[in-house]
Amino acid sequence: AQSVTQPDIHITVSEGASLELRCNYSYGATPYLFWYVQSPGQGLQLLLKYFSGDTLVQGIKGFEAEFKRSQSSFNLRKPSVHWSDAAEYFCAVLLMGNKLVFGAGTILRVKS
Amino acid sequence: DSGVTQTPKHLITATGQRVTLRCSPRSGDLSVYWYQQSLDQGLQFLIQYYNGEERAKGNILERFSAQQFPDLHSELNLSSLELGDSALYFCASSVAGHNEQFFGPGTRLTVL
Repeated sequence: AQSVTQPDIHITVSEGASLELRCNYSYGATPYLFWYVQSPGQGLQLLLKYFSGDTLVQGIKGFEAEFKRSQSSFNLRKPSVHWSDAAEYFCAVLLMGNKLVFGAGTILRVKS
Repeated sequence: DSGVTQTPKHLITATGQRVTLRCSPRSGDLSVYWYQQSLDQGLQFLIQYYNGEERAKGNILERFSAQQFPDLHSELNLSSLELGDSALYFCASSVAGHNEQFFGPGTRLTVL
């Protein structure tokens, strides 16, 4: 069955440090992949997407993600984290039938 | 602001009752999706409508139903409510089926 795994439930990084959030998917065909961010009490905001082409995609707020087919991964990165990046991050794959399947989420804490 | 609006923001009701959640998609978007976010199940796809017609169904209970009207707004009806239906309900919209989805702020439903 198609699934998305985010192995880290919580991650804590210092402000200014680099960040990498892991995402692995299980899906037979070439997936459409997304990262969303959810701040407390807020909706989901799209950070970036991968459909095809260049495997390194740039998103909003200084985030980027790299699609690695051989590892079935789509990890999210940011070179320098800001306190305002504290939130929950969701990786998702878009299936035929148009539904998004989400990972369980990773809660990012930023310490000053 | 994604351009997707949802009302009400909060809803508190009792078991056995029926409620209606409303969603207005972004201007120009024909597809509307409903998702449920709960602590134990995470983010789950419920149902998709495209230009007034049901297109895809997920783990939606028989007590739940939805529709999309000619002006493209959508309503999610939840009936015979149970305590376990307490969750955040998100609406999302996209231009067509296989594109990025933009999420509304959600409706937080509390069933007492």
